[in-house]
Amino acid sequence: NAGVTQTPKFQVLKTGQSMTLQCAQDMNHEYMSWYRQDPGMGLRLIHYSVGAGITDQGEVPNGYNVSRSTTEDFPLRLLSAAPSQTSVYFCASSFGRAQETQYFGPGTRLLVL
Amino acid sequence: KQEVTQIPAALSVPEGENLVLNCSFTDSAIYNLQWFRQDPGKGLTSLLLIQSSQREQTSGRLNASLDKSSGRSTLYIAASQPGDSATYLCAVGDYKLSFGAGTTVTVRA
Repeated sequence: NAGVTQTPKFQVLKTGQSMTLQCAQDMNHEYMSWYRQDPGMGLRLIHYSVGAGITDQGEVPNGYNVSRSTTEDFPLRLLSAAPSQTSVYFCASSFGRAQETQYFGPGTRLLVL
Repeated sequence: KQEVTQIPAALSVPEGENLVLNCSFTDSAIYNLQWFRQDPGKGLTSLLLIQSSQREQTSGRLNASLDKSSGRSTLYIAASQPGDSATYLCAVGDYKLSFGAGTTVTVRA
């Protein structure tokens, strides 16, 4: 199994540009999430999904969109990038709701100029 | 809103010393508590998961305890090695995790 994969590894955007961060898992996990990690802060939940076709907002959803058309993929869209969205983005997945270890991808470093 | 705090933010110890990392949380109604390891520029690797009904978990040199009533967890790493140098993150929740900011550990050879 490849586990949780994320692309790209690094991206530079200009303010106002849009882009999609890709996340895929091959473990047949129902639950998938997106987090952002900023210096000196813990990871913060952006959006999550409990199955194909079902998504919901986390703690910091503004400026981001998600969709889940398949079990495997959970892309994160930045609609109009802002410097405040400069961060490291992590995708995670787990099989069940609780009592389950979460698996994290390697992250995408995003710099918005 | 669940708040998770990890103190200290950084720790430096000589090789062989035991490590004690602390995590506190404000809402005791938690599903799980997980400890993760993060190496520089890398993703998170799960070390231990303690379910809400458990008081501790062990894996090799690692032992984590959970005291829900006081809102605390402690990660013990026995006989530290330079390879243990990393940032250790504590997180509480089910599939929606609340994270602490982490403790960065340096083990000096």
